[in-house]
Amino acid sequence: NAGVIQTPRHKVTGKGQEATLWCEPISGHSAVFWYRQTIVQGLEFLTYFRNQAPIDDSGMPKERFSAQMPNQSHSTLKIQSTQPQDSAVYLCASSFTGPNERLFFGHGTKLSVL
Amino acid sequence: QQKVQQSPESLTVSEGAMASLNCTFSDGTSDNFRWYRQHSGKGLEVLVSIFSDGEKEEGRFTAHLNRASLHVSLHIREPQPSDSAVYLCAMSLPMYNNNRIFFGDGTQLVVKP
Repeated sequence: NAGVIQTPRHKVTGKGQEATLWCEPISGHSAVFWYRQTIVQGLEFLTYFRNQAPIDDSGMPKERFSAQMPNQSHSTLKIQSTQPQDSAVYLCASSFTGPNERLFFGHGTKLSVL
Repeated sequence: QQKVQQSPESLTVSEGAMASLNCTFSDGTSDNFRWYRQHSGKGLEVLVSIFSDGEKEEGRFTAHLNRASLHVSLHIREPQPSDSAVYLCAMSLPMYNNNRIFFGDGTQLVVKP
């Protein structure tokens, strides 16, 4: 079991460019979560899928951020027109069925927007 | 108001001495708490899950939950330098027709040899 896999580990983009972050949940897990982690804000919830369907995206910034889960084996978080304040570690997690169970986290993608 | 608050922000202990971390929460209706830790540059790993008042032990990690006092703690027995990490308390609450997980800001633990 390779755990939750996130790629890339590090991404550097210029201001205004698009960034796509990938997540492969643990096989058999039906719930996928995205969090953003910064020193100032700590862990912030972004969005959550169950069985590929978006369940709660209330943490997603209304503009420029979008997440998809086209199949059970991967999810993407896309940030359009990246800004320096988007710089953070983006963590993906999965669990068997939902938030009441233990989450298994990936190592995260460190996004740096110059 | 932050739903989960952790203390202390940082803690240094000597190898073998008990380490105690604290977490207070603002909503006493939750019955789902976990302690995670994060080594530098790594993802989070779950240490202990606790769902009722009392004590739950997982190896060297013991969680104590007292919902009446809105408090959950983590005690690390015989800590080792490899336990140096950020420890995060998490609480699950019903919200937005689902359950939302709230994390504390973490306690930076340093275990000195």
